[in-house]
Amino acid sequence: NAGVTQTPKFRILKIGQSMTLQCAQDMNHNYMYWYRQDPGMGLKLIYYSVGAGITDKGEVPNGYNVSRSTTEDFPLRLELAAPSQTSVYFCASSYAGQAFTFGSGTRLTVV
Amino acid sequence: ELKVEQNPLFLSMQEGKNYTIYCNYSTTSDRLYWYRQDPGKSLESLFVLLSNGAVKQEGRLMASLDTKARLSTLHITAAVHDLSATYFCAVDPSQGGSEKLVFGKGTKLTVNP
Repeated sequence: NAGVTQTPKFRILKIGQSMTLQCAQDMNHNYMYWYRQDPGMGLKLIYYSVGAGITDKGEVPNGYNVSRSTTEDFPLRLELAAPSQTSVYFCASSYAGQAFTFGSGTRLTVV
Repeated sequence: ELKVEQNPLFLSMQEGKNYTIYCNYSTTSDRLYWYRQDPGKSLESLFVLLSNGAVKQEGRLMASLDTKARLSTLHITAAVHDLSATYFCAVDPSQGGSEKLVFGKGTKLTVNP
């Protein structure tokens, strides 16, 4: 059972470039999330989804977009990367009321 | 807006000692989660507390929830080096279970021999 799989694990982007962070889960969870983690700041919610075709903004959505065409996949798109988007990104999934299962994270540096 | 505060943010303790990490939150909620993160790793679920008075224990860690005081505690008993990690509490701000967890900044625990 793979759980939540994120790719890539590391990426360096130049300012203005775009990329997609991939996230897939094989637990049939209906809820999926994208968080970013900055040093000493905990985790902040970027976007979340309660099911295929349904997404909503979290606390820090600016500069990001998501889609959820299937239960399994929840990619995060960064358009026009900026240094402020340097962070570690975690994807997670869950059933309602249960603990999140987190992916291994993507460490992104924008230079 | 829900705020989640953890105290302390840094904790250095000796093996064999006991200590408590506190998690306060600012609005009504009856769902609280504790996670552990090792350096450079992902987050691992420790406890899910879903009602007032809930208490859960796993090994040397025990978590409790007081929804009236808006307070959760994570108690460490007879600490060992393997418990060194960052511990996060997270609160669901919605009564209807929106699942949009708000995380505290984390408590970095170092257990010294």
